[in-house]
Amino acid sequence: NAGVTQTPKFQVLKTGQSMTLQCAQDMNHEYMSWYRQDPGMGLRLIHYSVGAGITDQGEVPNGYNVSRSTTEDFPLRLLSAAPSQTSVYFCASSYSNVVVGYTFGSGTRLTVV
Amino acid sequence: GQQLNQSPQSMFIQEGEDVSMNCTSSSIFNTWLWYKQDPGEGPVLLIALYKAGELTSNGRLTAQFGITRKDSFLNISASIPSDVGIYFCAGPIFSSGSARQLTFGSGTQLTVLP
Repeated sequence: NAGVTQTPKFQVLKTGQSMTLQCAQDMNHEYMSWYRQDPGMGLRLIHYSVGAGITDQGEVPNGYNVSRSTTEDFPLRLLSAAPSQTSVYFCASSYSNVVVGYTFGSGTRLTVV
Repeated sequence: GQQLNQSPQSMFIQEGEDVSMNCTSSSIFNTWLWYKQDPGEGPVLLIALYKAGELTSNGRLTAQFGITRKDSFLNISASIPSDVGIYFCAGPIFSSGSARQLTFGSGTQLTVLP
């Protein structure tokens, strides 16, 4: 099994450009989440989903959109990239309500210039 | 906002030394988790704690769930080079409805010197 797969691993965007960070899991997990990691700030929750068709905002949702049309995929969209969105983005998934079951992808390093 | 305060922010130790780090919160948590992040990778769960006062080991790692339920500690004994990485504490928070998500501490960057 591949676990949680994130693409791309690296991306450079110009300010104002849009893009989609992909996340796919093959473990039939209901819960999926997006986090961003910035130096000295740990991981902060952007958006999450508790099942196909259901999404909600986390701690830092502004500037990002998500959708969950299938159990497997949970893409994160940057609508108009800003330098403040330069970060490492992690996708995670778990079975519902099993906190310790979170599996993380290997991350996407995004630079906005 | 950030609910978990983790310290120290970074540590430089000699190979073979023991390491201690801790995490505190102003709120009570009913579960404490410790993750390790290797360079260029996502976090991986090391230890999960479910009960106040609980002491759990995973090889050279030992973690404790504080009796006040507002803190947790992680100790690494006899450090080796592969212990290098960022260590995070984490705990569940309730989002809308009954959905639980994880909140993370700011991390402890560990460097092991030969």
